[in-house]
Amino acid sequence: NAGVTQTPKFRILKIGQSMTLQCTQDMNHNYMYWYRQDPGMGLKLIYYSVGAGITDKGEVPNGYNVSRSTTEDFPLRLELAAPSQTSVYFCASRLGGVNQPQHFGDGTRLSIL
Amino acid sequence: AQSVTQLGSHVSVSEGALVLLRCNYSSSVPPYLFWYVQYPNQGLQLLLKYTSAATLVKGINGFEAEFKKSETSFHLTKPSAHMSDAAEYFCAVSGGLTGGGNKLTFGTGTQLKVEL
Repeated sequence: NAGVTQTPKFRILKIGQSMTLQCTQDMNHNYMYWYRQDPGMGLKLIYYSVGAGITDKGEVPNGYNVSRSTTEDFPLRLELAAPSQTSVYFCASRLGGVNQPQHFGDGTRLSIL
Repeated sequence: AQSVTQLGSHVSVSEGALVLLRCNYSSSVPPYLFWYVQYPNQGLQLLLKYTSAATLVKGINGFEAEFKKSETSFHLTKPSAHMSDAAEYFCAVSGGLTGGGNKLTFGTGTQLKVEL
């Protein structure tokens, strides 16, 4: 059981480039989330999805876009990379139900230079 | 609205000593509370969760946490620290049915160091 898989694990981008961070889960979870983690700041929610075709903004959505065409996949798109987007990005998923925990991938470490 | 405060960004204990990591929460609805652990270069793993069934919650690796509504706290403890417990620990709160998507709000984390 792979759980939540994120690719790539590391990436260096130049300012203004675009890229897509991939996230896929094999647990048939309806809920999926994208976070960014910066030192000393905890995790901040970027976007989330409650099911295929449904997405919504989190706390820090500016500069990012998402789509959810299937239950399994929830890619995060950076259109015009900026140094402020240097961070570690985590994808998570969970079952429905208010007390269900989120399951996390191992993260993508992204540097914008 | 919900928030989490973790007191102490760094905690250092000796191997075999008590571990106490503090978490206070604020929530306008009955909260669901979680503790996660993050080892270097890994994602977050669930340690334990409080879901109102019992105020003392036991988790993996010998950790437990006690929900105290009067103190709005959910502190994490372990009687005897082991070197392998060195990691970063995050407390998180979910506002239940409010807020759409049952989003989690995380604290800023506590880095636990275990010394010989």
